[in-house]
Formats: sequence, structure tokens, C-alpha cells
Amino acid sequence: AQSVTQLGSHVSVSEGALVLLRCNYSSSVPPYLFWYVQYPNQGLQLLLKYTTGATLVKGINGFEAEFKKSETSFHLTKPSAHMSDAAEYFCAVSEGDSSYKLIFGSGTRLLVRP
Amino acid sequence: DTAVSQTPKYLVTQMGNDKSIKCEQNLGHDTMYWYKQDSKKFLKIMFSYNNKELIINETVPNRFSPKSPDKAHLNLHINSLELGDSAVYFCASSLKGEQYFGPGTRLTVT
Repeated sequence: AQSVTQLGSHVSVSEGALVLLRCNYSSSVPPYLFWYVQYPNQGLQLLLKYTTGATLVKGINGFEAEFKKSETSFHLTKPSAHMSDAAEYFCAVSEGDSSYKLIFGSGTRLLVRP
Repeated sequence: DTAVSQTPKYLVTQMGNDKSIKCEQNLGHDTMYWYKQDSKKFLKIMFSYNNKELIINETVPNRFSPKSPDKAHLNLHINSLELGDSAVYFCASSLKGEQYFGPGTRLTVT
């Protein structure tokens, strides 16, 4: 069975500092991996995804993530945090494009201090 | 041009009532979903339809009944509402595993 673990329910950074949100997954087949962002009282927006190919994927708003199979990780980073990055971030895994099931982590709330 | 839309955005009702939430997508996707997000923000899939056919039913009480009249619509009907049904319900649609979410319906059962 697939699962996703996001370490840290809350992460607080200063504006301009590096953002690092951690995600580890388990999957019995090559996974598709996703990061979604949820702003207050809104739906989920796809930040980036890994399917196959290049393991470093770039997304919207300056975010990127690296798929590391040996570590079963897909951590999300951004070099310099903006106040507008404050939101809830969800990592998710699916079993490829034929899978209809997306398994989400428990989410990490990013707080950005001025 | 909203890709995935849901109505209503907010729904407040009393225990025991029956209510419906509607979802429409204009992306031409074949697969649609319902997710439940609880008060701790945890997201869990409830149902998935592919080409109007139910393909995922994740041990959801049978008080919840999804209906897909066509590929672009997936509605969720809930009978005999309970306090524990209070949550945000998200509709989504997908192409090749990449899911697009609606804005959510916040259901409050009193």
C-alpha cells in the first residue's frame, strides 16, 4: 500500500530564507509524486509533479522538488520565501497515470515571518 | 473560466437532513473524484468515476451516494446527515494522474 509522510506539521521561516518541506513516500511500484498548495479557504493548486525522467522538477512560484529513489523522498524547496508563500502544502503519491487514486500526506503549514 | 466548479460553496444544515453538492468540470477529463478534508486538514479520497463508471469507493458510508450524469458532472448526495459529516468536500478531475481540484464545499452539520 502507498503512503506519504510529511515531517513537521508546521514550518516557520523568515522572509527571504530557504524553504524546505519534507516528504517521504512508500510505494510498491514507481510512483508519480505531487506537491499541492492550499491557501486559506481555497482549493488545492498543483505546484509541481514528478512522473518519469529528470528527477529535479521545477514548479510554479519558484518551487522545486527532487525525487530521490534511494531515500524515497520528494522534498520541496524554494530558495527565498515570500510572505505570499504562507499556506498549507500537501505531498501526494499515485501509482502512475493509470492509477485513479491519489494518497495525500497530512500537510505542512508554512508560516513566513516578516 | 473555472476549470472545476462546485456548488454550493457553503452549506449549513441540521442533523438528519439530506443534501447534495454539485460538481462540474470543463477540462474534458474522463475521471472525476470526491475528497473529504477533515478539521485537521487531512484529505481522503471518497469516490472516483471514470467515464461515468464508479471505480473507487473508499469504505464510505452508504449514506453518501455519488452520481455522474455525464463525464463533466459528478454530484454527491448525502442522506441523514450526521455531525461527523462536517468537513470540506472537494471535487477533482484528472488527466493521466494529474488532478485538478475545485474550490471546495464547506459542509456544517448542526
